[in-house]
Amino acid sequence: EVQLLESGGGLVQPGGSLRLSCAASGFVFSSYVMTWVRQAPGKGLEWVAAISESGDSTYFADSVKGRLTISRDNSKNTLSLQMNSLRIEDTAVYFCAKGRGSGWYVPIDYWGQGTLVTVSS
Amino acid sequence: EIVLTQSPGTLSLSPGERATLSCRAGPRISSSYLAWYQQKPGQPPRLLIYGTSNRATGIPDRFSGSESGTDFTLTISRLEPEDSAVYYCQQCGSSPFTFGPGTKVEIK
Repeated sequence: EVQLLESGGGLVQPGGSLRLSCAASGFVFSSYVMTWVRQAPGKGLEWVAAISESGDSTYFADSVKGRLTISRDNSKNTLSLQMNSLRIEDTAVYFCAKGRGSGWYVPIDYWGQGTLVTVSS
Repeated sequence: EIVLTQSPGTLSLSPGERATLSCRAGPRISSSYLAWYQQKPGQPPRLLIYGTSNRATGIPDRFSGSESGTDFTLTISRLEPEDSAVYYCQQCGSSPFTFGPGTKVEIK
């Protein structure tokens, strides 16, 4: 059974940093593109970032480019999101998600339950 | 960036009725890269349809997807109470892999 378990969310001040983690199990982690998607309170889904199977290629939404970094450790089946220079508008539930099938151009077939990041003074 | 527009914003229908949800992409995208998700309150999204018309594992056949020109359509043929949710389309053909704003389906 595929499981994605996010951790690391919490309250942080504007300008601060936070690191999210996602522990994956139930599938061959190194064979799939992994993605972070966020959802601000009461709002829709926003695609944030994705990383290739090997970790050598990444994509980011313009809204987070230069502030958020996505990485993975295939030896530990872990996905991470380093969040720097946080803004109030980064407040959201952050979902870890797995691509369906190999390669970049696939939909998401499994989602974690999400971890809440609140940016507030 | 590919922008997805969904309509209507909210759909209020009775059980057994047919729901038709629309998603328009600009610029145009290949049908291979359009997916639909269902999200209920307090839950993560669930993949319903991928590649415009392919049902994901375990999805009932009352859910179907199609394409007409630049418009993509999710149809729920006979609404059931548990179909009350927000439905999102997503394009996965070009980064950023954007989502539409969602359509809320309410069951009367």
